[in-house]
Amino acid sequence: DADVTQTPRNRITKTGKRIMLECSQTKGHDRMYWYRQDPGLGLRLIYYSFDVKDINKGEISDGYSVSRQAQAKFSLSLESAIPNQTALYFCATSDSSGENTGELFFGEGSRLTVL
Amino acid sequence: AQKVTQAQTEISVVEKEDVTLDCVYETRDTTYYLFWYKQPPSGELVFLIRRNSFDEQNEISGRYSWNFQKSTSSFNFTITASQVVDSAVYFCALSDVGNTPLVFGKGTRLSVIA
Repeated sequence: DADVTQTPRNRITKTGKRIMLECSQTKGHDRMYWYRQDPGLGLRLIYYSFDVKDINKGEISDGYSVSRQAQAKFSLSLESAIPNQTALYFCATSDSSGENTGELFFGEGSRLTVL
Repeated sequence: AQKVTQAQTEISVVEKEDVTLDCVYETRDTTYYLFWYKQPPSGELVFLIRRNSFDEQNEISGRYSWNFQKSTSSFNFTITASQVVDSAVYFCALSDVGNTPLVFGKGTRLSVIA
């Protein structure tokens, strides 16, 4: 099983619908992130959380919200999806200490299409 | 603010050629990490390397090598004797010493033609 699991992996929805992307991890990391990938734009940070009680906006947080339900779970919500939110979404985790400090461990991605 | 620039959007080479992917970064931090990730056509993101700003030694791992130069704020990635399996999008990224999320460049798409 993957250390960082995203569900759903693929989703097609309509404009105005509420969508939730879920992320769970078994790595025991304290930090979790949501990034969005668009062709030619690289990976852009939506939200991040350094522990259960910590939520921070990233570069492109408008139109999104998150919830850190537990150390291992971090979900991303689109309250009212719009077509320009069509993208590939990645959840990632990192450890605040240890030899891998700073390195991101990614889920397999969730492809969202908003019609 | 931190910024990563990968000026090469797409590169195409013939198999067995050497290829260098450029990465230029901007940061006000004196200590920071630099990273390279690979995204093959299957879509997952694969970690390749992390370099601490204190360590300017070049690194070699098989056909891969990295050249870190603080003087030019660059962290370039060279693939020697490229292979078709090297075809992917490669991302360079930057963070301060583990305390801020990674900032990514826009990526370079490498196509290796047989």
